[in-house]
Amino acid sequence: EIVLTQTPLSLPVTPGEAASISCRSSQSLLVSDDGNTYLDWYLQKPGQSPQLLIYSLSYRASGVPDRFSGSGSGTDFTLKISRVEAEDVGVYYCMQRVEIPWTFGQGTKVEIK
Amino acid sequence: EVHLVESGGGLVKPGGSLRLSCAASGFTFSSYSMAWVRQAPGKGLEWVSSISSSSAYTYYADSVKGRFTIFRDNAKNSLFLRMNSLTAEDTAVYYCAREAYFRGMLDYWGQGTLVTVSS
Repeated sequence: EIVLTQTPLSLPVTPGEAASISCRSSQSLLVSDDGNTYLDWYLQKPGQSPQLLIYSLSYRASGVPDRFSGSGSGTDFTLKISRVEAEDVGVYYCMQRVEIPWTFGQGTKVEIK
Repeated sequence: EVHLVESGGGLVKPGGSLRLSCAASGFTFSSYSMAWVRQAPGKGLEWVSSISSSSAYTYYADSVKGRFTIFRDNAKNSLFLRMNSLTAEDTAVYYCAREAYFRGMLDYWGQGTLVTVSS
């Protein structure tokens, strides 16, 4: 199965500053047949269900603020928050859906300093 | 508005069985693939199973293959997960989620239902 490794696992942030989370895959998530990269990002806020943030590498889900962006290629991916707000705290997960079983990264806990 | 409401969780003994349900509303259920994702206490997310809109395709994580069965009733806008031979490792909150398209991203999630396997 495809293994996703996130770093860091814990990220203290200062409101207003930028933050980034890395997700590295054990194999390429680019599907050559259609040119898409099937890597998504989810945020699980404290006490809530996960919510979709970014899909297919870089597309923001409906209602997601533009301070969130996804980038990368092949096996290395990054989620960036341009200016962290207090409401962004929670655990961020990357997930691949190139190959069954779909797999998640371990999660990165973002908290306010 | 899309709503997914899970039910059926609870305490079950090792080796026992349980059936989870997910009631869907706010969208044309029969047009969407669906999935189950679980989260053990204090742990990360684990994809469990997916089913296509017409039930033609089903997929399972190796950890549940042969023990869990995903199925759906499009007439009743409901998704199910039949879980047999449960072990302590199956203790988790189980979320149902909608796939935006076949094998697509999980764009809506329910609130989850807790399954506890313990003697």
